[in-house]
Amino acid sequence: GAGVSQSPSNKVTEKGKDVELRCDPISGHTALYWYRQSLGQGLEFLIYFQGNSAPDKSGLPSDRFSAERTGGSVSTLTIQRTQQEDSAVYLCASSLALAGGLGEQFFGPGTRLTVL
Amino acid sequence: GNSVTQMEGPVTLSEEAFLTINCTYTATGYPSLFWYVQYPGEGLQLLLKATKADDKGSNKGFEATYRKETTSFHLEKGSVQVSDSAVYFCALSINDYKLSFGAGTTVTVRA
Repeated sequence: GAGVSQSPSNKVTEKGKDVELRCDPISGHTALYWYRQSLGQGLEFLIYFQGNSAPDKSGLPSDRFSAERTGGSVSTLTIQRTQQEDSAVYLCASSLALAGGLGEQFFGPGTRLTVL
Repeated sequence: GNSVTQMEGPVTLSEEAFLTINCTYTATGYPSLFWYVQYPGEGLQLLLKATKADDKGSNKGFEATYRKETTSFHLEKGSVQVSDSAVYFCALSINDYKLSFGAGTTVTVRA
């Protein structure tokens, strides 16, 4: 079946512009996660959604970052007024919610963001 | 806080060699421990996991044992193949959803 998909795969933008990154989770997965993979910081957790709610957004680096999820499915990560330090690969993952907790996180291929 | 430290790479091996990647962790509470792998051009995927002390996770010939006394979760494989060339990440989770990753270790296996 289809895995987690992300778009675009690559995004080059100029400093100060806004960008939107999209994640399509595996069908039926109620939990969705965003991570960031950068040279300086490694792989970092950004935010977790359960359905359309975000119980934990503690990893968002600043108020320039926001994320939403609609219909319990697609999620969009928005970065406003991008800075060069935002350059990274943004990874999305999804998982089932099981009786005993959350299941394995399945990762998408990522969006590589370059801020010039 | 919660953190993972894994041995730095890159690691280069010949086929059929023994592979060990060290991983130690710091955590408040009792974490679940994971190894993720990222093959060239592919996304991160779960390789194996262990949820409590002394558990051994295993998959594709890889093994790791959850050692609470040494706060470690070292990854081992007895005989590597070229197809094992990848980046390996050790990770932990306390609360079931937030993964904390190590820096990753790049492994290259030569024929």
